[in-house]
Amino acid sequence: EVQLVESGGGLVQPGRSLKLSCAASGFTFSNYYMAWVRQAPKKGLEWVATISTSGSRTYYPDSVKGRFTISRDNAKSSLYLQMNSLKSEDTATYYCARQTQPYFDYWGQGVMVTVSS
Amino acid sequence: EIILTQSPTIMAASLGEKITITCSASSSLSYMYWYQQKSGASPKLWVHRTSNLASGVPDRFSGSGSGTDFTLTIDPVEADDTATYFCQQSWNDPPTFGSGTKLEIK
Repeated sequence: EVQLVESGGGLVQPGRSLKLSCAASGFTFSNYYMAWVRQAPKKGLEWVATISTSGSRTYYPDSVKGRFTISRDNAKSSLYLQMNSLKSEDTATYYCARQTQPYFDYWGQGVMVTVSS
Repeated sequence: EIILTQSPTIMAASLGEKITITCSASSSLSYMYWYQQKSGASPKLWVHRTSNLASGVPDRFSGSGSGTDFTLTIDPVEADDTATYFCQQSWNDPPTFGSGTKLEIK
């Protein structure tokens, strides 16, 4: 059974940093692209980042480019999202998702990130 | 960026009714993807490549469409279908989602 378990969320002040983690199990992690997708409270879904199987290629929307960094450790079956220079508009539930190009076939339970002073 | 516009935003359906959710794209697409999200839960892949049901999805659901207009149909609606449904495209970067259609059962 595919499982994705996020951790690392919490309350952080604007301008500060936070790192999210996602522990994957139930599939061969190194064979799949992985992604982060977020959902602001009572809002829709927004793709945040994608990383290739080896980690050599990463993709971001303009809204987070230069501030967020996605990475992975295939030996640990883990995905990460380093978020810097956080803004109030980054407040959302962040989901780790397996990306079977071009869609997201499994999602974690999500982790809440609140950016507020 | 391709904009996906879903309609209606909210709908109330009676048990046994046939309902259709529409997703209109700002540019032509080859495929559409749909997700179901129940309250307090994470999204689940529901339909891929426009008309293929994800594993475990009841065949009461069907997807169709082409170009800029795609639909998700439920026939007949059951109580367990209460959820928000999102469409998604990856034909053009970045991947984008519709704003969602909340389905309530009367």
